Amino acid sequence: QQQVKQSPQSLIVQKGGISIINCAYENTAFDYFPWYQQFPGKGPALLIAIRPDVSEKKEGRFTISFNKSAKQFSLHIMDSQPGDSATYFCAASPDSGYSTLTFGKGTMLLVSP
Amino acid sequence: DAGVIQSPRHEVTEMGQEVTLRCKPISGHNSLFWYRQTMMRGLELLIYFNNNVPIDDSGMPEDRFSAKMPNASFSTLKIQPSEPRDSAVYFCASASRPGTGNYGYTFGSGTRLTVV
Repeated sequence: QQQVKQSPQSLIVQKGGISIINCAYENTAFDYFPWYQQFPGKGPALLIAIRPDVSEKKEGRFTISFNKSAKQFSLHIMDSQPGDSATYFCAASPDSGYSTLTFGKGTMLLVSP
Repeated sequence: DAGVIQSPRHEVTEMGQEVTLRCKPISGHNSLFWYRQTMMRGLELLIYFNNNVPIDDSGMPEDRFSAKMPNASFSTLKIQPSEPRDSAVYFCASASRPGTGNYGYTFGSGTRLTVV
């Protein structure tokens, strides 16, 4: 079965610090890598996504770094804020046909004031 | 746009009872997904529809689970009979393109199911 391995399971960061969440995949056919953010009582929401033709994508304080040779990608949250406290999921999929997203198991981030 | 609408938000039922979860996808989205979320297993894809046709139901845990999409604006997930191990949050998501959606899935707020 296709897998996406995510770490750490949980993370505590001080306000203003950098939060880093890592994911690794096995399927070399994966070519679409989104990150989702989920607040308690809500469904996951698309945060940022990257394709393997670039090594980095930045949107505001959120950056995805992508290492195709290592089959790894990571989410960096700069200047972390208490409002960033949420569960973050990485995901991956072949971007073709009827393939669907495979999600990592999630990282619960707590940003302390 | 009201987003993906799921009902009910919470459901508590007794073991053996039938449970029906409902989903209204975003208008114009052709793909619909049912996911189950638990602490142990994370987000699991149960079934995926494209243009109201089931494409992949390999994630449906067993015959007690069934899903239908009679039209583009409505889908149901039914569990009959329900068991305590079915307790989870069930999410519906829709996307404007097949599979990945390319531009992301839009999730509903989920139905928290508790089977006692």
